[in-house]
Amino acid sequence: QKEVEQNSGPLSVPEGAIASLNCTYSDRGSQSFFWYRQYSGKSPELIMSIYSNGDKEDGRFTAQLNKASQYVSLLIRDSQPSDSATYLCAVNIEFNKFYFGSGTKLNVKP
Amino acid sequence: GAGVSQSPSNKVTEKGKDVELRCDPISGHTALYWYRQSLGQGLEFLIYFQGNSAPDKSGLPSDRFSAERTGGSVSTLTIQRTQQEDSAVYLCASSSNWGETQYFGPGTRLLVL
Repeated sequence: QKEVEQNSGPLSVPEGAIASLNCTYSDRGSQSFFWYRQYSGKSPELIMSIYSNGDKEDGRFTAQLNKASQYVSLLIRDSQPSDSATYLCAVNIEFNKFYFGSGTKLNVKP
Repeated sequence: GAGVSQSPSNKVTEKGKDVELRCDPISGHTALYWYRQSLGQGLEFLIYFQGNSAPDKSGLPSDRFSAERTGGSVSTLTIQRTQQEDSAVYLCASSSNWGETQYFGPGTRLLVL
């Protein structure tokens, strides 16, 4: 079992719809959780960070964390074609290690 | 302010040669991370520095890989006797402290022929 798991996709949604991206992790002791967006050929850039159970909203983005279920998700409301990218979930599993999922590719169709 | 910078941006080398990849983190960031990303794959965590110290080097793929950080700033990732499977994008990131938001550099694209 990988430390961080994501569905590789592609996830296709129409413009204006809600895109839901999911991530599960293996270590119950994990404290910090991040969602990064990576356009093709570019470096990852931070979308959201979340540290506590519940929801955290920032504009069109909402991160949801459920530590009991070891689950973190990212919702993108009013999806735009410019949101088309690969979304990476990242978790610090151990004090000295930081793990990324393999990413979910999102396609937003005009 | 300036972001994370990496050099070279591209490196083509022959199998068996040594290469050095450089990372210049954001000024004042104490934590520095190295990752490797193969084509179409996720990020593979290699090593983390807090200041000049790397608490755990077990993420390095083999003993051909080494990394150091001097003066709490610039870091160098060295790959000795490169192999074709080392071909990847090597990404460096820095954060103000461990566990905080990581800011990534543009990466070094390494191709081993």
